[in-house]
Amino acid sequence: EVQLVESGGGLVQPGGSLRLSCAASGFTFTNYHINWVRQAPGKGLEWLSHIGGFSNDIYYADSVKGRFTISRDNVKNSLYLQMDSLSAEDTGVYYCARGIYYLDHWGQGALVTVSS
Amino acid sequence: EIVLTQSPGTLSLSPGEGATLSCRASQSVTSNYLAWYQQRPGQAPRLLIYDASTRATAIPGRFSGTGSGTDFTLTITRLEPEDFAVYYCQQYGSSPRTFGGGTKVEIK
Repeated sequence: EVQLVESGGGLVQPGGSLRLSCAASGFTFTNYHINWVRQAPGKGLEWLSHIGGFSNDIYYADSVKGRFTISRDNVKNSLYLQMDSLSAEDTGVYYCARGIYYLDHWGQGALVTVSS
Repeated sequence: EIVLTQSPGTLSLSPGEGATLSCRASQSVTSNYLAWYQQRPGQAPRLLIYDASTRATAIPGRFSGTGSGTDFTLTITRLEPEDFAVYYCQQYGSSPRTFGGGTKVEIK
């Protein structure tokens, strides 16, 4: 069974940093791009970033470019999102999701709250 | 960036009725690379349709997707209680990947 489990969410002050993790299981991790998608409270979905199976093909949305860094550890079957210079607009649920095109499996999400 | 506009914003229907959801792109979606997702309250999104018309694994036959170019439709025949949710379209034909704003299907 494919599973994606996010962790690392929490409360952080404006200007601070946070690192999210996504643990993957049930599939050959290196065969897949993995994405980060977020959802602000009561809002829609926003695609943020993806990374190829061997850390190639990295792409960011303009809204996070230069502040967020995506990475993966293929030994640990894990994906990461380093988030710096956080602001209130970054508050939301962050999902990791599998797929280079459509997203066929999603984690349950990690809540990030940016507030003083 | 391709902007996806979904309509209507909210659809109020009764169980057993049919639903037609629209997703319009600001420019043609390459190779009709368009997906539909369902999100129930408090849950992660679930893939329903990809490549505009292909049902994902284990998705019931009452869900169907049609369309090409800039106009796409998700049709749900005979709404079941578990179908009342928010539906999003997403294009993956060009970068950045973008989502529509969603259509909420609520119980009338």
